[in-house]
Amino acid sequence: DAGITQSPRHKVTETGTPVTLRCHQTENHRYMYWYRQDPGHGLRLIHYSYGVKDTDKGEVSDGYSVSRSKTEDFLLTLESATSSQTSVYFCAISEQIEQYFGPGTRLTVT
Amino acid sequence: GEDVEQSLFLSVREGDSSVINCTYTDSSSTYLYWYKQEPGAGLQLLTYIFSNMDMKQDQRLTVLLNKKDKHLSLRIADTQTGDSAIYFCAASSGSARQLTFGSGTQLTVLP
Repeated sequence: DAGITQSPRHKVTETGTPVTLRCHQTENHRYMYWYRQDPGHGLRLIHYSYGVKDTDKGEVSDGYSVSRSKTEDFLLTLESATSSQTSVYFCAISEQIEQYFGPGTRLTVT
Repeated sequence: GEDVEQSLFLSVREGDSSVINCTYTDSSSTYLYWYKQEPGAGLQLLTYIFSNMDMKQDQRLTVLLNKKDKHLSLRIADTQTGDSAIYFCAASSGSARQLTFGSGTQLTVLP
């Protein structure tokens, strides 16, 4: 299995609070991605990174920001969490063709 | 943008073949993928096919691609109860090979 960890694995937070999710890889892969998974929608891309400090928006980026200051870490921040951001968040990594996924973070915004 | 569609449910008997279908809209998609997700788990990459190929076989898995119709299928031979899961089709695009996923097909294998 690709060396990808996500933290925390579960989080409950209140509306309006900031939340940061962390993805850490040990594979030295160039590309990193954040997706969210919701019933009936499959997975949808939030943001992705193609190198240190190089990031771009995905399909559902509103309300989210990302940072990548090191190859191995990709952070997803919800500046002010809303109930619509309750979801399961998956990080993925890729070097060439294959894209590998982390175990996910279940976030509940109350 | 890209749109990927799959049927939601499929039930088969143990030992039969399963065929999961997928359609996509963007003819410039370079790679097409199949992932498996078991309850409470992440996504496991099963296989992928390059867009200029028609077929790829990997043990019990066969992927067929009809590029003209933008139709992708995954055949699982001799389906087992351990194959029960949600299967996602995904298409890649862009320089970072961002993935667009279908909604997933819930495969149930009956004994």
